[in-house]
Amino acid sequence: QQQVKQSPQSLIVQKGGISIINCAYENTAFDYFPWYQQFPGKGPALLIAIRPDVSEKKEGRFTISFNKSAKQFSLHIMDSQPGDSATYFCAASTFSGTYKYIFGTGTRLKVLA
Amino acid sequence: EAQVTQNPRYLITVTGKKLTVTCSQNMNHEYMSWYRQDPGLGLRQIYYSMNVEVTDKGDVPEGYKVSRKEKRNFPLILESPSPNQTSLYFCASSVQGGNTEAFFGQGTRLTVV
Repeated sequence: QQQVKQSPQSLIVQKGGISIINCAYENTAFDYFPWYQQFPGKGPALLIAIRPDVSEKKEGRFTISFNKSAKQFSLHIMDSQPGDSATYFCAASTFSGTYKYIFGTGTRLKVLA
Repeated sequence: EAQVTQNPRYLITVTGKKLTVTCSQNMNHEYMSWYRQDPGLGLRQIYYSMNVEVTDKGDVPEGYKVSRKEKRNFPLILESPSPNQTSLYFCASSVQGGNTEAFFGQGTRLTVV
C-alpha cells in the first residue's frame, strides 16, 4: 500500500514532442505529490508538486495532472527539449509519525534533437 | 548559497572496512535523511532524523548507522560494508520531511569490493 508505481521505465521523445510519465498509488492518505528531476551526476531537484485538492498544476512547460478517483498522477512535458533529458521521479507522502517520501522507480527520458 | 554537501563523491573500499559519508546542510533544516539509489529500484530511504538526537529507520536500514549531534550534520556510517551496499547514496534535508521540498546533495558513489 505504500508503493508508488511509475511508468515507463524509459522514454525517448523527439524534440518538440510531449513527454508523459505516469504514477499510480494505493494509499489514499497520501497528500503531497512531487516530481523530482535528476541530471547525470547530480542529486534530484524538485521540479513541480501538487496537493490533492487540485486536479492540475502547470509551471511553464511542465504540468502535473492528478486523478484522485483513479489514484493516478502524471507529468506532462510540453515541447520537450534535449535539455529535459534526465531521470524523473514521482513521489508521494503522508503523515505517519513523520512525513516521509515514497519514491517511484524513476523514468529515464531522452529527448532527441 | 543554500546547499547540502556530501563527502566523498566517490569511494571504493573493501569488505568490512568501516567508513563514514558526511553530510552537511546550511539551511537550518530540521529534517534530514539518507537514500540509496539503485537501478530499477528508485530512491529508498535508509534513515531519517527529525531533529538533533532524533533518528529513526527508513525502509532499508540494515547495515547502516547514523547520528545527529548537530542540526547541520547527519553522517552515514557503514561499520562493516558488504558488496550489496555498493550504490549511489544521497543525503537530503527539508523543513519538515516529506510534505515540503527536499534538497539533495550531489551524491556519493560507493563501491565495496
